[in-house]
Amino acid sequence: DSGVTQTPKHLITATGQRVTLRCSPRSGDLSVYWYQQSLDQGLQFLIQYYNGEERAKGNILERFSAQQFPDLHSELNLSSLELGDSALYFCASSVGADISYEQYFGPGTRLTVT
Amino acid sequence: DQQVKQNSPSLSVQEGRISILNCDYTNSMFDYFLWYKKYPAEGPTFLISISSIKDKNEDGRFTVFLNKSAKHLSLHIVPSQPGDSAVYFCAASDLDRDDKIIFGKGTRLHILP
Repeated sequence: DSGVTQTPKHLITATGQRVTLRCSPRSGDLSVYWYQQSLDQGLQFLIQYYNGEERAKGNILERFSAQQFPDLHSELNLSSLELGDSALYFCASSVGADISYEQYFGPGTRLTVT
Repeated sequence: DQQVKQNSPSLSVQEGRISILNCDYTNSMFDYFLWYKKYPAEGPTFLISISSIKDKNEDGRFTVFLNKSAKHLSLHIVPSQPGDSAVYFCAASDLDRDDKIIFGKGTRLHILP
């Protein structure tokens, strides 16, 4: 158990809908990262928040947004969903801001768009 | 354009023998490399890392070798154990530029009894 929790574990929704994925980092960790893993793909970095502020952005679509709240949990919002958005979404947390700090991954949320 | 490539989708190794997982990268600015291990239904877990100032880093049964001129790194597991069966992701980053980690697609390692 990494100490990072993600809810829900599974999500099935229809195209055009909007969903919110939630992540609670390990106690004491200030950074939260979001990753997407599509079928047969490596993890794609989406976005990083550090202590409530956006710190780094990857290949995140404009239809996707995220935020980190004062209690440091984070939410990833996916809107106007398309079939291609079906993937595993992982959240990771680390104590520091840069990647030299070990990232601890949650178990992921499996999103299926039908 | 895939900057981190793991060209072997899967690998089978006899228990007790050495497992060698390979990874190639294209961006010569990458200066920090990581390996993650992933079991089904779990998130990836950090395994070992190496900075570009080194060519080898060892942690127990796991050793990572870096060949900068060839833009190649490898993870050696010796001896291989049944619990090593998992998907292994190679990852890289340019620390001077940003804090994005670029992952490969992974290699599934099967340890045979």
